[in-house]
Amino acid sequence: DAGVIQSPRHEVTEMGQEVTLRCKPISGHDYLFWYRQTMMRGLELLIYFNNNVPIDDSGMPEDRFSAKMPNASFSTLKIQPSEPRDSAVYFCASSHRGEQYFGPGTRLTVT
Amino acid sequence: AQSVTQLDSQVPVFEEAPVELRCNYSSSVSVYLFWYVQYPNQGLQLLLKYLSGSTLVESINGFEAEFNKSQTSFHLRKPSVHISDTAEYFCAVSAPSGGSYIPTFGRGTSLIVHP
Repeated sequence: DAGVIQSPRHEVTEMGQEVTLRCKPISGHDYLFWYRQTMMRGLELLIYFNNNVPIDDSGMPEDRFSAKMPNASFSTLKIQPSEPRDSAVYFCASSHRGEQYFGPGTRLTVT
Repeated sequence: AQSVTQLDSQVPVFEEAPVELRCNYSSSVSVYLFWYVQYPNQGLQLLLKYLSGSTLVESINGFEAEFNKSQTSFHLRKPSVHISDTAEYFCAVSAPSGGSYIPTFGRGTSLIVHP
């Protein structure tokens, strides 16, 4: 398996634009997580899915953030509209029975 | 609810010296414990894990961690570090409940190995 795949690896956008981050989890994993990492706040769990169903989105900072998992092999995290304070590295991770496998991350810069 | 405390935000050490990165957790139930490593500009990678059985677990690159239930700790150690060990290390705890394995991460410890 190629591991967790995320795209794009880098995204630079202007404030107010819509941003969509993509994730392909490891085949057979039943959990998918979205995290955000910044120097100030560390690693934050935004939302997680179990068998494609969103279970806990209490970490999503605002209504500007939304996440979907239409099938077992694909998930998106959308920010609309984006703001400079959304600048961070966003990680997707998938897991089965507790052991998490992280993607390489998407570095988002909002100017 | 579970929580993880990594007591040191940064640990500087010289090459070939021993190192210990501390991790304490709290949970009202039995837990799984993990250490992850994050090299610059990369995602987190699993370093080692404790699920059950022997309380001492080892990684392939010389790190080890010991689960101490009475002290609720899972400290990470290496007897002799290399420059390449410079990275961020995260401790995580997962309390399996109803088939769910949702981890809680510590804030991370930055290990800086000097030549």
